[in-house]
Amino acid sequence: ETGVTQTPRHLVMGMTNKKSLKCEQHLGHNAMYWYKQSAKKPLELMFVYNFKEQTENNSVPSRFSPECPNSSHLFLHLHTLQPEDSALYLCASSRGTGIGGANQPQHFGDGTRLSIL
Amino acid sequence: EDQVTQSPEALRLQEGESSSLNCSYTVSGLRGLFWYRQDPGKGPEFLFTLYSAGEEKEKERLKATLTKKESFLHITAPKPEDSATYLCAVRVFRFGNEKLTFGTGTRLTIIP
Repeated sequence: ETGVTQTPRHLVMGMTNKKSLKCEQHLGHNAMYWYKQSAKKPLELMFVYNFKEQTENNSVPSRFSPECPNSSHLFLHLHTLQPEDSALYLCASSRGTGIGGANQPQHFGDGTRLSIL
Repeated sequence: EDQVTQSPEALRLQEGESSSLNCSYTVSGLRGLFWYRQDPGKGPEFLFTLYSAGEEKEKERLKATLTKKESFLHITAPKPEDSATYLCAVRVFRFGNEKLTFGTGTRLTIIP
């Protein structure tokens, strides 16, 4: 299996539920990202991990909790979400995030479509 | 603040009708401009990276160009399978980390 794989592809949850999104990359990359994509808005960066260490949290509410156990796996734990959190959540990976990883594009998975009831 | 603006928001073309998509940007310290294609229900698919003004890249019916303030994605004799949303993103480095800022995309529809 190649590329970036996200599961589940679709998720419907109530505001009081707890669920997790999973991302796995098979590209040998060292950096992984979570983005939120809402209709009519640009992709919004949420979190960045480089060599398993979180390097950026873009002022994301604490109801979103990322976890990166190794360079190939990334999770997004969800709890007590709000209706405005309904969106497509995209995971991406790249060779690195610093100057040393420059000139390398980010590669995206197909996302998890999240709907909050 | 880094800004990326794509135009038009949507574009409908007849098959074979060539046109261009625009991505204008305002950033400090550009370290690359990226074009992605996104199909419905899919994640963005990487197309091109451009680094310096005057650079051009081509892939099949697509050609991307870059100036100091904008990039164009030219599509020549498009086919229905070229229908997708095309996203532009600029990369800068802040505090040692890369940051990608995306535009809202151009939704391209090619009519047979």
